Amino acid sequence: DTGVSQDPRHKITKRGQNVTFRCDPISEHNRLYWYRQTLGQGPEFLTYFQNEAQLEKSRLLSDRFSAERPKGSFSTLEIQRTEQGDSAMYLCASSLQGDQETQYFGPGTRLLVL
Amino acid sequence: QQPVQSPQAVILREGEDAVINCSSSKALYSVHWYRQKHGEAPIFLMILLKGGEQKGHDKISASFNEKKQQSSLYLTASQLSYSGTYFCGTNTGGFKTIFGAGTRLFVKA
Repeated sequence: DTGVSQDPRHKITKRGQNVTFRCDPISEHNRLYWYRQTLGQGPEFLTYFQNEAQLEKSRLLSDRFSAERPKGSFSTLEIQRTEQGDSAMYLCASSLQGDQETQYFGPGTRLLVL
Repeated sequence: QQPVQSPQAVILREGEDAVINCSSSKALYSVHWYRQKHGEAPIFLMILLKGGEQKGHDKISASFNEKKQQSSLYLTASQLSYSGTYFCGTNTGGFKTIFGAGTRLFVKA
């Protein structure tokens, strides 16, 4: 399967714990996006990488959230001191620069904070 | 600013047609359409670019009216497999795509 993959698919954690999610984009895609999706809503933009550079972060992304994309390949999204309001589906998408910004989504990581 | 989708939900019988609308308050460079089934990732359907165009494949097509900052997705002769939530995503020229809240489509036999 050469699509976008995410790990883990599900995560249950207690409030206050740190969690880290991983995204592996389609191999030739140089752009990578993180979104958060809550029930009944569309994906909300969190952050964007072009190669290894993080070019934009949403104001939704508090200081507890950090994302990296070392070497411009896979990316990680870490949430520190999780809160119940962080419970959501975290989606990763990738695109190829010049391909009309068509984004291909991964299956997502569903986070539940107890 | 988030695009507005209408209707919020629609129920169809197999074989019926549906139109889903997406409107923005900002000038658009492109509109993206995705379908998401429960618990799955959004699947790309098509993208329409500035310049006003219409696209389609199989029985799903879309139009983009740049002047009105609107796009419509047309589903004809709906099939059970069309059920899901349809999202439009709007792009104003950068790399960021803003998604609407979605239109829930249910096709029954």
